[in-house]
Amino acid sequence: DGGITQSPKYLFRKEGQNVTLSCEQNLNHDAMYWYRQDPGQGLRLIYYSQIVNDFQKGDIAEGYSVSREKKESFPLTVTSAQKNPTAFYLCASTYDVGAKFDEQYFGPGTRLTVT
Amino acid sequence: AQSVAQPEDQVNVAEGNPLTVKCTYSVSGNPYLFWYVQYPNRGLQFLLKYITGDNLVKGSYGFEAEFNKSQTSFHLKKPSALVSDSALYFCAVREPGGFKTIFGAGTRLFVKA
Repeated sequence: DGGITQSPKYLFRKEGQNVTLSCEQNLNHDAMYWYRQDPGQGLRLIYYSQIVNDFQKGDIAEGYSVSREKKESFPLTVTSAQKNPTAFYLCASTYDVGAKFDEQYFGPGTRLTVT
Repeated sequence: AQSVAQPEDQVNVAEGNPLTVKCTYSVSGNPYLFWYVQYPNRGLQFLLKYITGDNLVKGSYGFEAEFNKSQTSFHLKKPSALVSDSALYFCAVREPGGFKTIFGAGTRLFVKA
């Protein structure tokens, strides 16, 4: 079965700690995305990557970092600089970021709670 | 700037009745429009999309959406609601010439038995 996996499903961290969220896809998609979801705000784009070893900031990149060393993997690190990190994080992919009419495939999400 | 509005936070409908979830958009150029559904603590699932052609688009699980260019709307519809349709629905527009998809804030649909 092709799809996107995110781990862990739930993550708890103390304030001041960095944490890395995993995202893996076996759909052979070039483009991958990270979104943050907060109640009543829809999805906001954190980072996206069009190809291996290349990524761009989205609308709310401050306090986050990513890497794209492999086509299949796009991990997101939530750093201690992110002022309000508690949220639901969603990873998504499309075959080609330039294919404007392609729908996105989403992972099941990671709920991060920072106390 | 591109934007998507879902004017209703919540829609309540009785099972068996038709349902409509509203969406309006603002983009320059031809829009690529999408509807996604999200069940609790899950990722989003694609329902349907409008690219070009017929204004009535049919999608998964019996859903359809009507594109209205003059009203800049893309409302989601279903002729007969099921309790299992209860979920959070997102309208989205692909930014023309860009790489981003802009999502609405979401509308929670409750279908009562």
